[in-house]
Amino acid sequence: DGGITQSPKYLFRKEGQNVTLSCEQNLNHDAMYWYRQDPGQGLRLIYYSQIVNDFQKGDIAEGYSVSREKKESFPLTVTSAQKNPTAFYLCASSVGPSLEDTEAFFGQGTRLTVV
Amino acid sequence: SQELEQSPQSLIVQEGKNLTINCTSSKTLYGLYWYKQKYGEGLIFLMMLQKGGEEKSHEKITAKLDEKKQQSSLHITASQPSHAGIYLCGAEGLNDYKLSFGAGTTVTVRA
Repeated sequence: DGGITQSPKYLFRKEGQNVTLSCEQNLNHDAMYWYRQDPGQGLRLIYYSQIVNDFQKGDIAEGYSVSREKKESFPLTVTSAQKNPTAFYLCASSVGPSLEDTEAFFGQGTRLTVV
Repeated sequence: SQELEQSPQSLIVQEGKNLTINCTSSKTLYGLYWYKQKYGEGLIFLMMLQKGGEEKSHEKITAKLDEKKQQSSLHITASQPSHAGIYLCGAEGLNDYKLSFGAGTTVTVRA
């Protein structure tokens, strides 16, 4: 079945460490997105990529980095520069670059906790 | 970036009652999307609206986009416990393809 997979579901990180969240899709989608969600809040866009080897900063990119070397994969690295990384992270993909007549598909999320 | 405001922030309804959620944009919407989320899970697509005045329904959920394409509403008729969750509106801008979301509306349905 086609879909978008995030791993791991739960992740614990020590302060000062970098950590990478995985996002893989087999939908042949061009566009991929990373969002952060804090309790009681909506989704805030971290980074997005409309095509392989290209990506743009979203609204809260500081302290994060991404790469898009393959169409299927869009990993997010939470660096030690991110002051408050504990959050729920969601990855999405769409046919893109414009959604046109189709929706974005979301992974099940990764809950990152800094200990 | 696309600014989306949702109201109310949360609401509690008695089972069987109707409810409405609003989503307002500071800019003309290119496409407006409604998603539902259960706590700690991914988003489930509900509906997409693109044309001014467009209205779509699925089961007991109806979404509308106004003629100016700056406001959308989501209406649930005869709410059930399965309708509980967080409802988010999302939209992309006219000149960029960033998909942005509102803060969400938490719906609680009481039996």
